[in-house]
Amino acid sequence: GQQVMQIPQYQHVQEGEDFTTYCNSSTTLSNIQWYKQRPGGHPVFLIQLVKSGEVKKQKRLTFQFGEAKKNSSLHITATQTTDVGTYFCAGSTSGTYKYIFGTGTRLKVLA
Amino acid sequence: NAGVTQTPKFQVLKTGQSMTLQCAQDMNHNSMYWYRQDPGMGLRLIYYSASEGTTDKGEVPNGYNVSRLNKREFSLRLESAAPSQTSVYFCASTSGRRLSGNTIYFGEGSWLTVV
Repeated sequence: GQQVMQIPQYQHVQEGEDFTTYCNSSTTLSNIQWYKQRPGGHPVFLIQLVKSGEVKKQKRLTFQFGEAKKNSSLHITATQTTDVGTYFCAGSTSGTYKYIFGTGTRLKVLA
Repeated sequence: NAGVTQTPKFQVLKTGQSMTLQCAQDMNHNSMYWYRQDPGMGLRLIYYSASEGTTDKGEVPNGYNVSRLNKREFSLRLESAAPSQTSVYFCASTSGRRLSGNTIYFGEGSWLTVV
């Protein structure tokens, strides 16, 4: 079955440092989404990527979808304490809304 | 607009007991999900319902049953709870329509402990 892995599992950074999490799927995806979950909260949608090679930016966050539509990355520039949380990717295969989530990357930002 | 509402928020069960987690959404969404989240394991799909009357197994369906009662409601039942089912359970939904976007909206979570 479809599997989605993320690395790293944990990342501690000093405030102001950059952060990147990588997402890899065992199957080709029709689209990929990214979510953020604050401690004790529920996942909240950040963005969706659909096209091969697509790059989208949201302020300090940059999202990429690989050319083969099997991998993706989220890069945060100059982290802030408000970036603390777990970041998940979620992918679905063509023709379905059945989303499989990645294992997540927990980000801690040290002030 | 409540979004996705799930109950109960907290529950303690004894091994072998049964219970049903209730979920309802008021966004007229077609697709609904049940995920479980364990520390360090991310979100794992238990069951998925593409539309009213249909359900599909996810990654970890064993020990669970679901019912898509109508378009709004999607319940998750544990027939004989086991300690391995101690987890946080999230219900979620998305429009499931091609031109409507696929944002998945989550409920607040249900913390279930099986002793």
